[in-house]
Order: sequence, then structure tokens, then C-alpha cells
Amino acid sequence: GAVVSQHPSWVICKSGTSVKIECRSLDFQATTMFWYRQFPKQSLMLMATSNEGSKATYEQGVEKDKFLINHASLTLSTLTVTSAHPEDSSFYICSARKDASGSGELFFGEGSRLTVL
Amino acid sequence: QKEVEQDPGPLSVPEGAIVSLNCTYSNSAFQYFMWYRQYSRKGPELLMYTYSSGNKEDGRFTAQVDKSSKYISLFIRDSQPSDSATYLCAMATGGGNKLTFGTGTQLKVEL
Repeated sequence: GAVVSQHPSWVICKSGTSVKIECRSLDFQATTMFWYRQFPKQSLMLMATSNEGSKATYEQGVEKDKFLINHASLTLSTLTVTSAHPEDSSFYICSARKDASGSGELFFGEGSRLTVL
Repeated sequence: QKEVEQDPGPLSVPEGAIVSLNCTYSNSAFQYFMWYRQYSRKGPELLMYTYSSGNKEDGRFTAQVDKSSKYISLFIRDSQPSDSATYLCAMATGGGNKLTFGTGTQLKVEL
């Protein structure tokens, strides 16, 4: 299967600081990437759809000024959690679709666990 | 009512048992159905991908989709301790981009 890599896999930060998480498709180009958040024992919740070369599309209830998404190339999308607070502590997972038609399989990164103190 | 319902478990079975995992859904527009396996503190791993109704088999895994009943299943034959994980069902409409996940079923296969 295709490989999607996330970095860092684990990060601890102080309240009020910003944290950047990278998502890379290693062996394919992804015009669209997706960012999910998962709280303990809960399902994945889609936060936003990241489109290469254009603005991200955010799901209802997700603050776009707090969760900045940049998709600068066909293999890299970044999520920046700005002015992080303890309630932002979660498992953030990105995914990418290998098939540009929108019907192909979705491959996930390993996830990034954020802990805000 | 959630769009996708999945029993969170936990489900505990002995090694070698046949495991049946299920999801129901309410959105008749869903056409793509997936099962993911997620180990603790890891990202989901795609197990099965099915379009529309029918069965699909891959090794010890069989996925079934019954669109008339809005019901999907994943069967695991000859279960192994390494199958212990959380299994997530996911669905998408014809547009294919946005996945809606179930809450996941935690499975434990015991020796």
C-alpha cells in the first residue's frame, strides 16, 4: 500500500505555544489530504480537507484560525495548532488519497499525539 | 442518531475463533465501505475496501455489504492474538472524499 508519514509522532508543548505537524505522502502525489482528530476511545473526526495550492476546507465547528493548514506541494500538508491549550490535546491523524478521482483508497499516517500542558 | 453505528465492545474471543464485526448506517448515499484496523497509539491501517454491495475476501478477512439493510460486516477467520486491535468501519458517498467513521470495536484475541 501507499505510505503516508507524519512528524512528529509525539509532542508535548506549553499552553499558548504553537505546534506544527507535517504529513507527507512518500511514494505518491496527493492533491488532497485530510486531517482528523481522535480523542481517547472515540472515532476519527474530520477536521479539514487540505487542497494543494488552495485554501483548506474546514468542517463545521473547527476554527480555521486556530488550526492552520498549508498544502504547499503535492506531497506535503502541514497542520499548525496555534496558541494551543490543554483541550487541544488529542491524536491528530492525516490521510491522503492516492487516486485523484476521489474514489480511491485512503491511506493514513501514523498519527501525532499532542499533549498541551 | 449517528450516521454510522458501531458497537464499541470490547469483544474478547479465544484464538482460532471466527470474529464478526458489524456496522449499521443511515445514509443511503454511502457507496464506498471500508474497514480499518488501528493498534493502540497508531494510525488506522486499511484492511478492506468495497464499492457498493457484495462480498470481498482477502486472506482471513471477508467484508460483506448489504445496502438494502444498511449493514456491513467484517469476518476474521482463525483469529490470532496479533489481530487484537480496534476495528473501525468507514463509509463515503459517491464523491468519495469525506469518510464517516464508526466509533470502532475493540477486539481482543486471547491465547
